[in-house]
Amino acid sequence: AQSVTQLGSHVSVSEGALVLLRCNYSSSVPPYLFWYVQYPNQGLQLLLKYTSAATLVKGINGFEAEFKKSETSFHLTKPSAHMSDAAEYFCAVSERYNFNKFYFGSGTKLNVKP
Amino acid sequence: EAGVTQFPSHSVIEKGQTVTLRCDPISGHDNLYWYRRVMGKEIKFLLHFVKESKQDESGMPNNRFLAERTGGTYSTLKVQPAELEDSGVYFCASSQESVPYEQYFGPGTRLTVT
Repeated sequence: AQSVTQLGSHVSVSEGALVLLRCNYSSSVPPYLFWYVQYPNQGLQLLLKYTSAATLVKGINGFEAEFKKSETSFHLTKPSAHMSDAAEYFCAVSERYNFNKFYFGSGTKLNVKP
Repeated sequence: EAGVTQFPSHSVIEKGQTVTLRCDPISGHDNLYWYRRVMGKEIKFLLHFVKESKQDESGMPNNRFLAERTGGTYSTLKVQPAELEDSGVYFCASSQESVPYEQYFGPGTRLTVT
């Protein structure tokens, strides 16, 4: 089974600072990778996905992530944090030949300070 | 277009009681999934329906959990009898058969067993 590790359950940044949320996965075969965001009282919203095309993936709200096979990582970044980015972020992985089953990390809560 | 909806948003029950959670997927989505997040840990896969058929129920914790999907539309997840460790947030997601990895999530049902 896959495992997904998100380093840091809580990350705090100042408004305008770089956002970096870390995600590492366990598979030796590159899977499909996803970042989801959950705002309070809402469902999980897909931010971006990697499906074996370009390794640098751009998503909504200015977020992007880079797939690095050698590091088994898929870190999420945003150059300049906004107050509205405060939410919980989840990294997820699906197996390449079973797209239906996702494995999630334990989530990272992002706090943005004014 | 309506997203994935779940009912109720919150449920508080006593140990030993029965609870039924409901999920209405996006119209036209044949795939329906249930996930659970316990105590701020990772979100875990419970099961996957394709239309009315259970495709994968490898994540169901035990036989106190029963999922159904009537006529391939909405789904219910019944917990009977509920135990303290069943507390958590239950998410439902759906996707089109042609793009199974684009899963759209509902807001979740927060279940508290006391």
